[in-house]
Amino acid sequence: NAGVTQTPKFRVLKTGQSMTLLCAQDMNHEYMYWYRQDPGMGLRLIHYSVGEGTTAKGEVPDGYNVSRLKKQNFLLGLESAAPSQTSVYFCASYSRRTEAFFGQGTRLTVV
Amino acid sequence: AQTVTQSQPEMSVQEAETVTLSCTYDTSENNYYLFWYKQPPSRQMILVIRQEAYKQQNATENRFSVNFQKAAKSFSLKISDSQLGDTAMYFCAFLAGTASKLTFGTGTRLQVTL
Repeated sequence: NAGVTQTPKFRVLKTGQSMTLLCAQDMNHEYMYWYRQDPGMGLRLIHYSVGEGTTAKGEVPDGYNVSRLKKQNFLLGLESAAPSQTSVYFCASYSRRTEAFFGQGTRLTVV
Repeated sequence: AQTVTQSQPEMSVQEAETVTLSCTYDTSENNYYLFWYKQPPSRQMILVIRQEAYKQQNATENRFSVNFQKAAKSFSLKISDSQLGDTAMYFCAFLAGTASKLTFGTGTRLQVTL
């Protein structure tokens, strides 16, 4: 029972490089979310998805793109990384019959 | 837009004592869900308690209980008989019934001391 799995767990990028974070869930949840966590700012919603093929912007979407081609996967992309995107990223999935389940987090450093 | 406010950045409590963490929210929705999540140093997000807005009875999970005041849009968490293992960041979260954004507050760092 894997729950929500994020890859990678750690990454260091140079400014201007691109990368994709993968979130995979095996609970058949409809809703999936990407957050970033910064000291003193809590979890801020970047993008979310209410089902396969649909995505929507959260509070801080600039500089990020997402895709949900398969129900179980939610990808977060950084096209041109900036130091301001240094953060811990969390993915979550949710069903209204349960709670939100979180991945282990990805610590991203942009230098 | 929904907002969640946690006005206590840090709190401290002695072991075995009781502490209350505050959370207020703003919404025009009538049907929604409220949550408290715990994040220990391991960074893992753990559900502490969940409240559905249409239920008048306050949710309780062992030593954890909430005081849900719908009219005041307040959702505080009470931790009784605090234990050292309760040391963590605590986040209040809101999910509207008609939308699907899960919104978090900025968190309260709780330190349980001997």
